[in-house]
Amino acid sequence: QQQVKQSPQSLIVQKGGISIINCAYENTAFDYFPWYQQFPGKGPALLIAIRPDVSEKKEGRFTISFNKSAKQFSLHIMDSQPGDSATYFCAALGGATNKLIFGTGTLLAVQP
Amino acid sequence: GAVVSQHPSRVICKSGTSVKIECRSLDFQATTMFWYRQFPKKSLMLMATSNEGSKATYEQGVEKDKFLINHASLTLSTLTVTSAHPEDSSFYICSASPLAGSRDEQFFGPGTRLTVL
Repeated sequence: QQQVKQSPQSLIVQKGGISIINCAYENTAFDYFPWYQQFPGKGPALLIAIRPDVSEKKEGRFTISFNKSAKQFSLHIMDSQPGDSATYFCAALGGATNKLIFGTGTLLAVQP
Repeated sequence: GAVVSQHPSRVICKSGTSVKIECRSLDFQATTMFWYRQFPKKSLMLMATSNEGSKATYEQGVEKDKFLINHASLTLSTLTVTSAHPEDSSFYICSASPLAGSRDEQFFGPGTRLTVL
């Protein structure tokens, strides 16, 4: 119940296209859902995060869509650029602990 | 703001030696710091949670005598890998939650690449 399932494992998108990464969770106590971007050899960097009281949050080219009833959330990267090529992790937090539960990651490659 | 640093960025050591990794929150005070381990092409695995002035809480399967964590101040936590062996080679990442602001936010350091020969 503490797992966060992430798909796809890898994704290839053409420059200018939309990248979509999906995550699903089971624990209804989760109330904070961040997305992290990680470049090789670097630590993760917070991209955008959402709480269950809203269904969508947009920051620049990055949008989180949140479906509370389905217990799913997704990251959309609009106008994908080669510089977006990285590994993306969804995560969830909430309930009795402050531990982030990470998804398995998605390796995104944006082709020029 | 919200910058977390780690030192060293990479370290190579001989089997049997101990290695200390520092994690510092540079522009904020952190109530809680977390230590993660990441294998190549894998997700982050939480090793332990530490609060300033108290003992760290280790995740199941993580040897507390192997991975010593000290959280001496609101801006510094250290991870010491004792008697390191090649299987301890990994990417170690820390994160910190700000004292002020949302308890949920975690800001990550750049990671430390440990190679044990």
